[in-house]
Formats: sequence, C-alpha cells, structure tokens
Amino acid sequence: DGGITQSPKYLFRKEGQNVTLSCEQNLNHDAMYWYRQDPGQGLRLIYYSQIVNDFQKGDIAEGYSVSREKKESFPLTVTSAQKNPTAFYLCASTSADPGRWIKPQHFGDGTRLSIL
Amino acid sequence: AQSVTQPDIHITVSEGASLELRCNYSYGATPYLFWYVQSPGQGLQLLLKYFSGDTLVQGIKGFEAEFKRSQSSFNLRKPSVHWSDAAEYFCAVGPPTGTASKLTFGTGTRLQVTL
Repeated sequence: DGGITQSPKYLFRKEGQNVTLSCEQNLNHDAMYWYRQDPGQGLRLIYYSQIVNDFQKGDIAEGYSVSREKKESFPLTVTSAQKNPTAFYLCASTSADPGRWIKPQHFGDGTRLSIL
Repeated sequence: AQSVTQPDIHITVSEGASLELRCNYSYGATPYLFWYVQSPGQGLQLLLKYFSGDTLVQGIKGFEAEFKRSQSSFNLRKPSVHWSDAAEYFCAVGPPTGTASKLTFGTGTRLQVTL
C-alpha cells in the first residue's frame, strides 16, 4: 500500500546537535510538507516543497532546514539554532496540478523529538 | 490572512450520544475545508472535505459536516458516538486550487467518550 513513512518514531537531541528527520512517500505526490505540533497549538507549517529541488519557508522555518533532491524524499534537519525543538513533527504530501483542485494532504505517523 | 477557530478545546460525551464539533473560519474567497482526526501518537486521517456543491458532506466513520457560508462555519457532527471516536479533531482551511495547498489548521478539539 502507498503511504508516507516517517523515521525514527522517537528521536533525542543533545544540546548543540543537529538532527535529521526522515520522510519518504511512495504516493507519487508532487508536494510535501513539514509541520510542527505542540499541545494546544494545532499544526504549524515549517517548510513545504512543490517540486524537486525547490522549497519554501512556512510560518516557523527559523532553526530548520530541508532538502528535496528526490520526489519521494523530504528530510527535515532540526539545527542547533532551534532553541525549543521538543515537539511532534508531521510530514504530509499531496498531488497538485496547477490550476486544478487541490487534493487533500496525506500524513505520516510522526516523529517525536525530545531534548536530552 | 486565513484562520480557523475551534472554540472547544475539550469535549466529553457519553457513548451513543450525538456529537457536534464547532469550526469557524476566516477566508477571503471560497475556501476548501477539511476535518481530520488524530489518535494519540499518530498522524492525521482525513474525515471529510468540502469545496462546492451540497453543503452537507458525508465522511468516513459515520461523520458528516455542514458548510454554512453565512456563519463562516463548518461544524462536524455524528449522530451516535462510539468509544473508538475518542481522539483529537482538527478543522483546516486552504485554497481550492494552485500548485500546493497551504492549509491553516485550527488548534484542535479533544474528544473524550465516557462509557
């Protein structure tokens, strides 16, 4: 079955360390997204990518970086500049044809990042 | 700017009772509206969506939602709640077309079901 795979499920970061969260999809979707979820705050968009080798900042991009070298993959790096990284991170994807109706986003099962 | 308000942070209902979760949105044009459900430690699953047509939309798991343009609302309903419906529910709004759908999510409503 097609879907979105996020790994690892749990991740711990030491002070000053960069960590990378993996997101892979086999849905042949063009657009991919990273969200951060904190209790009581819903989902906030970190970065999104519409096509390979292109991505845009979302609402809370500071302290994060991404790459989109392959259509299937959209890894997120939480850098040491992100001072409050403890959160639940969700990756999503959708197919999108320009000028046509957007399809709903499909979500992975998330990665929970904590500080050691 | 688009925004979504879910005024109820937490709702408790008895199993078998009816349910209504409220969602109000602010959007400059015709919105594309969604309801998602999230079980603890899991991702979000789409329950239903609305863009145009019949203002009462049916979704999975027996849920439905009604779009009321005059009230800028998209409330989620279920006639009879099951214990397995206990989860967090998110309303979201976004543009209907374009190259990528940037969704804005509400802060969620946590549903507790008592037996």
